[in-house]
Amino acid sequence: QQQVKQSPQSLIVQKGGISIINCAYENTAFDYFPWYQQFPGKGPALLIAIRPDVSEKKEGRFTISFNKSAKQFSLHIMDSQPGDSATYFCAASMGSRRAAGNKLTFGGGTRVLVKP
Amino acid sequence: NAGVTQTPKFRILKIGQSMTLQCTQDMNHNYMYWYRQDPGMGLKLIYYSVGAGITDKGEVPNGYNVSRSTTEDFPLRLELAAPSQTSVYFCATGGTSGRASVEQYFGPGTRLTVT
Repeated sequence: QQQVKQSPQSLIVQKGGISIINCAYENTAFDYFPWYQQFPGKGPALLIAIRPDVSEKKEGRFTISFNKSAKQFSLHIMDSQPGDSATYFCAASMGSRRAAGNKLTFGGGTRVLVKP
Repeated sequence: NAGVTQTPKFRILKIGQSMTLQCTQDMNHNYMYWYRQDPGMGLKLIYYSVGAGITDKGEVPNGYNVSRSTTEDFPLRLELAAPSQTSVYFCATGGTSGRASVEQYFGPGTRLTVT
């Protein structure tokens, strides 16, 4: 019930291309879905997040698409740049239930390499 | 404003030794978390705290202990180190109001090797 499954494990994209990472969750009580970006040797940093009351959220070149009925959400990186090369994690939490401590359940991560 | 700081950055332990990983935050956040990240894997929650004096287990608490005597500090204790505890440990904080109530902010991590 707490799992978040992420795919692919890794992907290689040419500069200017589109990177797409998918996640699926099981627990319908999840109501906050963030994506984190992690560079080697660093801690994860929040990139973009979405709540299930919208189907899409865009911030610059990063877009989250959310499909509540399918219990899936995805990250699209448009016009991918070499500086986007990092590991990306999707996550989910019951953010509106503060008694639950806003605990995040993470996907397994996707290593993205953008070739110049 | 340093955010979330963790010490040490690296540590090598022998099997059976004990150590404490330190985490300090200056963001005045009530929520604090400890995660471990194994190579090529996602992060798994070890313990968390919703405020000083309150802690609770996460997904993988066995072999660890925590305490939270102040808002700022949330140390993680390993009592009898085992090779299975070789990992990178991240501390994170979260607020309780506004946007900070759902976002988590991570420290730089502690890389621990147990041999």
